Amino acid sequence: NAGVTQTPKFQVLKTGQSMTLQCAQDMNHNSMYWYRQDPGMGLRLIYYSASEGTTDKGEVPNGYNVSRLNKREFSLRLESAAPSQTSVYFCAGTGGASTDTQYFGPGTRLTVL
Amino acid sequence: GENVEQHPSTLSVQEGDSAVIKCTYSDSASNYFPWYKQELGKRPQLIIDIRSNVGEKKDQRIAVTLNKTAKHFSLHITETQPEDSAVYFCAASKGRGNQFYFGTGTSLTVIP
Repeated sequence: NAGVTQTPKFQVLKTGQSMTLQCAQDMNHNSMYWYRQDPGMGLRLIYYSASEGTTDKGEVPNGYNVSRLNKREFSLRLESAAPSQTSVYFCAGTGGASTDTQYFGPGTRLTVL
Repeated sequence: GENVEQHPSTLSVQEGDSAVIKCTYSDSASNYFPWYKQELGKRPQLIIDIRSNVGEKKDQRIAVTLNKTAKHFSLHITETQPEDSAVYFCAASKGRGNQFYFGTGTSLTVIP
């Protein structure tokens, strides 16, 4: 099993550019999450999908959109990137055989100039 | 919504000593409390978790205690080793399908 995977690992954008962060899992997770991690602020939830076909806002959703393409894939889109979105982004999944345990992907380090 | 507070933000201990990290939560409906370890440049990884129907759980040198009445839970690491140096996060949740709320992290340094 690959677990939770994310692409790309690194990305540099200019202000105003758009991009999509991809996340996929092969652990049969029902729920999937997108977090951002900034120094001294822990992990803050952007959006999550409790189950296939549903998405909900988290603590910091402004400037982002998500798509739960199918049970395996959950993407995060930045329509018009801003320097404040410079961060490390983690995708995570729970449910299925792992019950409540949340497994994280390796992260995407995004810099917006 | 839930609010999780974590203390201290930094902690230095001598190798072999114990380390304790404390978290409080606000929502009495939270019933699942995991702890994650994150090494520099890596993803958070679960090290131990506890559910609200249990007061204490141990796994070798690591233990977690939960006080539901006071709404706080703690991570205890005994006989610390240099490889325990990392950032530790607590979290609270109502379980799968629900949000996870994270503390702001504790940077633990174990001095050889």
